[in-house]
Amino acid sequence: KAGVTQTPRYLIKTRGQQVTLSCSPISGHRSVSWYQQTPGQGLQFLFEYFSETQRNKGNFPGRFSGRQFSNSRSEMNVSTLELGDSALYLCASSGGPGSITQYFGPGTRLTVL
Amino acid sequence: ELKVEQNPLFLSMQEGKNYTIYCNYSTTSDRLYWYRQDPGKSLESLFVLLSNGAVKQEGRLMASLDTKARLSTLHITAAVHDLSATYFCAVARRNSGGGADGLTFGKGTHLIIQP
Repeated sequence: KAGVTQTPRYLIKTRGQQVTLSCSPISGHRSVSWYQQTPGQGLQFLFEYFSETQRNKGNFPGRFSGRQFSNSRSEMNVSTLELGDSALYLCASSGGPGSITQYFGPGTRLTVL
Repeated sequence: ELKVEQNPLFLSMQEGKNYTIYCNYSTTSDRLYWYRQDPGKSLESLFVLLSNGAVKQEGRLMASLDTKARLSTLHITAAVHDLSATYFCAVARRNSGGGADGLTFGKGTHLIIQP
């Protein structure tokens, strides 16, 4: 079974631009969560989608948004990029409510110049 | 606010030695996770602990959970170089909406095992 895939793997943007990251969960998984990893703040939960609905959200500004499609693929968008948005963005999939384990993708490394 | 604290944050040890990583969390939770991350890589799931007194073992790693003390430990037995990595514990926060839980992570323990 293929794992979680994320595209692109690396991205360089400049301040003020916007970016869209994509995540395809493990086949059959319906829940997708997004996390940001930085050296200073560590791993932080962004939001979680299940059946195209945002079910849970972390403490991030409104510049961070996401959506999920009917095939469970998810996208995350960051608008008006700031230098501090440079991070590894990880996507995790699970079977959904009550499902125990979250499986993480390889991540997208975003650099904001 | 749920807080997760790991210690130590950095650990250098020799092969063959035993050591324990501690994970304390601030509020009740029903799931405790341990993940491993190699440099430049993603997170690999090691253990999920669901109940008080739960103990799981895989190779040289053993994890346990004490929900009353809000403490989990990851014990390394007879360490080998291949176990060098960063280890994270994470706690699931129950979502009243019934969705999958967002994980709150500790800052990670950077483990170096020297030959």
